[in-house]
Amino acid sequence: AQTVTQSQPEMSVQEAETVTLSCTYDTSESDYYLFWYKQPPSRQMILVIRQEAYKQQNATENRFSVNFQKAAKSFSLKISDSQLGDAAMYFCAVIIQGAQKLVFGQGTRLTINP
Amino acid sequence: GAVVSQHPSWVICKSGTSVKIECRSLDFQATTMFWYRQFPKQSLMLMATSNEGSKATYEQGVEKDKFLINHASLTLSTLTVTSAHPEDSSFYICSARDGGGIGNQPQHFGDGTRLSIL
Repeated sequence: AQTVTQSQPEMSVQEAETVTLSCTYDTSESDYYLFWYKQPPSRQMILVIRQEAYKQQNATENRFSVNFQKAAKSFSLKISDSQLGDAAMYFCAVIIQGAQKLVFGQGTRLTINP
Repeated sequence: GAVVSQHPSWVICKSGTSVKIECRSLDFQATTMFWYRQFPKQSLMLMATSNEGSKATYEQGVEKDKFLINHASLTLSTLTVTSAHPEDSSFYICSARDGGGIGNQPQHFGDGTRLSIL
């Protein structure tokens, strides 16, 4: 079975600075996909970024980028130039190729200080 | 982009009432939908996987007779909380994946339903 661990229950950062949220996972499979979802106070789940395990290049989406270390089973999210609207719960998740279930981490609550 | 509509967004009802929550994929067909439950400040807990035209697959510990799931079409899945009690109060979220369940297609989430049982 797959597991996802987010070791930082809470993080805070000053507006305009950079913050990194950590995520580690465990799976015996070699073909899988990783995601970061954002859940703001409205509680809507929003896809932030995704990464295919077979790709060595780290995914980027504007101010969001990941540091994917497959051997270490690590998938951290870096948010550059933090904005007040980035304040939310962030969930890391993994799904195995061919599987249906998305496995979530415990979440990290990110606070942006003005 | 893919849109999932969930209704109602908030429901308050008396103990013993049955409550139905709808999850619709608006611009794509979803052979598979998922139902999650989320307690305050916690992660999403998968309750069941809803497959169009067949029985849902429930996660361990989830009562099938309490949480009835129907997936009668490629765009609609419903979750009925039967004889709801205060301990069933929670935030319920559905999701759907287009692309026939291929792993690299992300799940698209509804906005969730806040259920409060008095």
